[in-house]
Amino acid sequence: SQQGEEDPQALSIQEGENATMNCSYKTSINNLQWYRQNSGRGLVHLILIRSNEREKHSGRLRVTLDTSKKSSSLLITASRAADTASYFCAGANNLFFGTGTRLTVIP
Amino acid sequence: DAGVIQSPRHEVTEMGQEVTLRCKPISGHDYLFWYRQTMMRGLELLIYFNNNVPIDDSGMPEDRFSAKMPNASFSTLKIQPSEPRDSAVYFCASSTQNTGELFFGEGSRLTVL
Repeated sequence: SQQGEEDPQALSIQEGENATMNCSYKTSINNLQWYRQNSGRGLVHLILIRSNEREKHSGRLRVTLDTSKKSSSLLITASRAADTASYFCAGANNLFFGTGTRLTVIP
Repeated sequence: DAGVIQSPRHEVTEMGQEVTLRCKPISGHDYLFWYRQTMMRGLELLIYFNNNVPIDDSGMPEDRFSAKMPNASFSTLKIQPSEPRDSAVYFCASSTQNTGELFFGEGSRLTVL
């Protein structure tokens, strides 16, 4: 059974807009990670947030974590066409992955 | 560094045949993970190793699946006999610690007819 779920499943936005993806999970975690996957490729690590952190930034990425609600969000600001990909959260030391959000950024 | 290397990239086989997928992790990484990705089930952990020792194989679907890591630079995932429902993309990933960043290979796309 899926231990992580993301919503929306798919998101389509215009270039320059912000994109927000949400992840909900079921188990306790020490940290949560976000990955990106371009079509037909392997996953690439984006950012890790620890359970004692509430927010973390990396470039145009902003991640929040609410352990009481077992949820996390990934915000990509000022999106670009090159951000088009699927985005996954991963928890429990990479033992589970979310269902993924497919982001399409329209130029 | 060349990254995690998987082979073959694509494999088409017939039901009942044996399939062997191979992975070379990044040198110095002591954790190795095998995942399976399908549209229906998403990305599932099959098994992971630490220092060549299998730590958790609870995700291995059934006895038809087996994985080995004879040394720090090589791992195999074997399916025998293969079935059409095994069709998926199989990913290998490595890391320096099990809480850390995973480095993924490009995957092996398996089609069982």
